[in-house]
Amino acid sequence: QSALTQPASVSGSPGQSITISCTGTSSDVGGYNYVSWYQQHPGKAPKLMIYDVSNRPSGVSNRFSGSKSGNTASLTISGLQAEDEADYYCSSYTNTRAFVFGTGTMVTVL
Amino acid sequence: EVQLVESGGGLVQPGGSLRLSCAASGFTFSSNWMTWVRQAPGKGLEWVANINQDGREKFYVDSVKGRFTISRDNGKKSLYLQMNSLRAEDAAVYYCARDGSQGNDFDYWGQGTLVTVSS
Repeated sequence: QSALTQPASVSGSPGQSITISCTGTSSDVGGYNYVSWYQQHPGKAPKLMIYDVSNRPSGVSNRFSGSKSGNTASLTISGLQAEDEADYYCSSYTNTRAFVFGTGTMVTVL
Repeated sequence: EVQLVESGGGLVQPGGSLRLSCAASGFTFSSNWMTWVRQAPGKGLEWVANINQDGREKFYVDSVKGRFTISRDNGKKSLYLQMNSLRAEDAAVYYCARDGSQGNDFDYWGQGTLVTVSS
């Protein structure tokens, strides 16, 4: 149950697009289409942004999109806005019927 | 409106016990898997345990197996986490989360309750 690997930080200017990667193994990310992404602002609870690799919950901006290739999932934020500055975590179902989170990525809007 | 409200956190000595509770409202509690997630100060999220709708299926992260027990009372719309033999590394904010309809994500979260383990 090792944490999924994410870059520690990603930054971009307003209006730009950024992509956050989430690398696991065939026992988690690569084995199931059950990757989700969460946004967490300081001192707040996480918020679901993407589920089942690429689906957006109602109310989440279409600027957020997800994808997966092999053992790596990705979250793309297009048209970056100041309010997108937060920590982002991926999560995946695993073959032990547990879940695992990623190491987290701090997104900075320059 | 879905609401999850955790309680029961506090300061406990190493080796001690604590029971966290999560009161749910705004949805049919008995229809969803439920999960506990924790976050140590300044650290990332860690999935801790989950439980199915009738409480018969439970899964845990390896580091808490044999020490923590997840349970639920559907009549009281409440989720629990009994934590025994607490260690310094268990100190964290503990979040209660509702699993999504397919059970593969966490679509609503509580505000969290802080557990401090120190002598």
